[in-house]
Amino acid sequence: DTGVSQDPRHKITKRGQNVTFRCDPISEHNRLYWYRQTLGQGPEFLTYFQNEAQLEKSRLLSDRFSAERPKGSFSTLEIQRTEQGDSAMYLCASSGGLAAYEQYFGPGTRLTVT
Amino acid sequence: GQQLNQSPQSMFIQEGEDVSMNCTSSSIFNTWLWYKQDPGEGPVLLIALYKAGELTSNGRLTAQFGITRKDSFLNISASIPSDVGIYFCAGQYGGANSKLTFGKGITLSVRP
Repeated sequence: DTGVSQDPRHKITKRGQNVTFRCDPISEHNRLYWYRQTLGQGPEFLTYFQNEAQLEKSRLLSDRFSAERPKGSFSTLEIQRTEQGDSAMYLCASSGGLAAYEQYFGPGTRLTVT
Repeated sequence: GQQLNQSPQSMFIQEGEDVSMNCTSSSIFNTWLWYKQDPGEGPVLLIALYKAGELTSNGRLTAQFGITRKDSFLNISASIPSDVGIYFCAGQYGGANSKLTFGKGITLSVRP
């Protein structure tokens, strides 16, 4: 399978704990995006990487959130001191190559904070 | 900020019928994309549109990029049960590295 993969698919954590999610983009894509989706809403942009550089961050990305893409391949999204409001689906997308404008999404990580 | 409007929130059709969805914005976009999402999964790209007035087909799906660059339409012909899902429009303003702005989605139900 050469699509975007995310791990884990589901995460249940207690309030105050830290969680980390991983995204592996399509191999030839140099751009990687993180979005968050809550029930009944469309995905909302969090942050974007071109290669290893984080080029844009949404104001939704509070200082408890940090994202990295150290080698320009996979990316991690960490949430520190989780709050119940962090419960959502976290989606990763990648783009690049000839169809540079088309963003392809992974299956998402469903986070539940109890 | 930019917002995309999709309505109605839900649509119910009979198998075999055609259905049309539209998406409007208060701001212009340079690229429009349509996605379908199944429960518990990520959005799947259906069609991408790059030019005002462009009409693009993908099988039974046809989408158009509005002339004003503030709207887009998706048509599904001869619906089948697997068309059930949530359909999102997304707009992109700027270059290929730009974020997507999504609508709230339309939930499509297909009665057999």
